[in-house]
Amino acid sequence: DTAVSQTPKYLVTQMGNDKSIKCEQNLGHDTMYWYKQDSKKFLKIMFSYNNKELIINETVPNRFSPKSPDKAHLNLHINSLELGDSAVYFCASSPRRRPSSYNEQFFGPGTRLTVL
Amino acid sequence: AQSVTQLDSHVSVSEGTPVLLRCNYSSSYSPSLFWYVQHPNKGLQLLLKYTSAATLVKGINGFEAEFKKSETSFHLTKPSAHMSDAAEYFCVVSEGYGGSQGNLIFGKGTKLSVKP
Repeated sequence: DTAVSQTPKYLVTQMGNDKSIKCEQNLGHDTMYWYKQDSKKFLKIMFSYNNKELIINETVPNRFSPKSPDKAHLNLHINSLELGDSAVYFCASSPRRRPSSYNEQFFGPGTRLTVL
Repeated sequence: AQSVTQLDSHVSVSEGTPVLLRCNYSSSYSPSLFWYVQHPNKGLQLLLKYTSAATLVKGINGFEAEFKKSETSFHLTKPSAHMSDAAEYFCVVSEGYGGSQGNLIFGKGTKLSVKP
């Protein structure tokens, strides 16, 4: 009955590889997000997406791309992995209420990515 | 642009004593504010949120926070710390306008240690 789930929990890979992290929410939410948490625990938004619009944080390299096969899923694809991509990646979702700034987000358990 | 500043990177208290985690925000309008908690190697859990209703907000596990517009503060408190409260705490503001509306902006976190 997990609300927001991510797979895998741990991902260890070599530089230059391409990898994906999957995210699913069963809350019926309209908007999903990806965050990156660095080694100092700082969390930063990468993407927000609903069925109409993708908002990309301008600091995110274009090697990162979200893919949404349906409303319940927002997967994160990363091409040509670099050492600096090592971090914990969190998926989140929120309901559609107005204003959207009132909405809390529900987070997945995180995926720890290690690039060697 | 909105931002939050957590004034302490680390707070250490004894079990049974009060907890105070400080947060100041910057916003050009009435913000939505949240406190999230992250236990070691876990995802983020919402403790409480403020969205322009009552200024004293009660959350889970005995935590509460008071929105003070005059001081631009949203400090998190708990009357009596428990060992299970040891975790990282994040003060968060929500983007209120434009395409990024609803995106969360995180503070750098405060690590709470609880001594027996």
